[in-house]
Amino acid sequence: DAMVIQNPRYQVTQFGKPVTLSCSQTLNHNVMYWYQQKSSQAPKLLFHYYDKDFNNEADTPDNFQSRRPNTSFCFLDIRSPGLGDAAMYLCATSSYGTGVREAFFGQGTRLTVV
Amino acid sequence: AQSVTQPDIHITVSEGASLELRCNYSYGATPYLFWYVQSPGQGLQLLLKYFSGDTLVQGIKGFEAEFKRSQSSFNLRKPSVHWSDAAEYFCAVRSNFGNEKLTFGTGTRLTIIP
Repeated sequence: DAMVIQNPRYQVTQFGKPVTLSCSQTLNHNVMYWYQQKSSQAPKLLFHYYDKDFNNEADTPDNFQSRRPNTSFCFLDIRSPGLGDAAMYLCATSSYGTGVREAFFGQGTRLTVV
Repeated sequence: AQSVTQPDIHITVSEGASLELRCNYSYGATPYLFWYVQSPGQGLQLLLKYFSGDTLVQGIKGFEAEFKRSQSSFNLRKPSVHWSDAAEYFCAVRSNFGNEKLTFGTGTRLTIIP
């Protein structure tokens, strides 16, 4: 089935040690989102790609970076994770121009910082 | 800027009772509106969506929602809840032009009691 896949499901990293989360999709959607969701809170948009156009939210810390090398893959890089970055990270895809307006979410990556 | 308000943080309903979850949005034009459900530790699943046309939309799992432009609302309803409906519910708004930003409300946690 076409879907959004996030790897790994669980990631433990050390304080200050760079970490990369990955997201892949088989939906061929041109929009990809990264959200951060802390416990009992709403998903918070970090950034999103509209095709290759990168849209960074104004309040996304510089510590968070993203790469989208092709349509299918998108990466979230946290350069120096702090304890406050422990959260669930959600990747989602959507499409523009094809009538598919809803976002499809992956299962998320739970990041623990020790 | 677009925004979503879910005034009820937590709702408790008896199994078999009816349910209404409130959602108000702020957006300069007719938005795309969504309801998502999230079980603990999981990604978000789309319940239903509104783009245009009939203001009463049907979704999965017996849910429906009504778009009311005059009230800027998109409330979610279910006539009879099941224990399996216990989850977190998020209302979301997406811009219908420009950069495709998807914004979530703060969520409503639904508890079902026997």
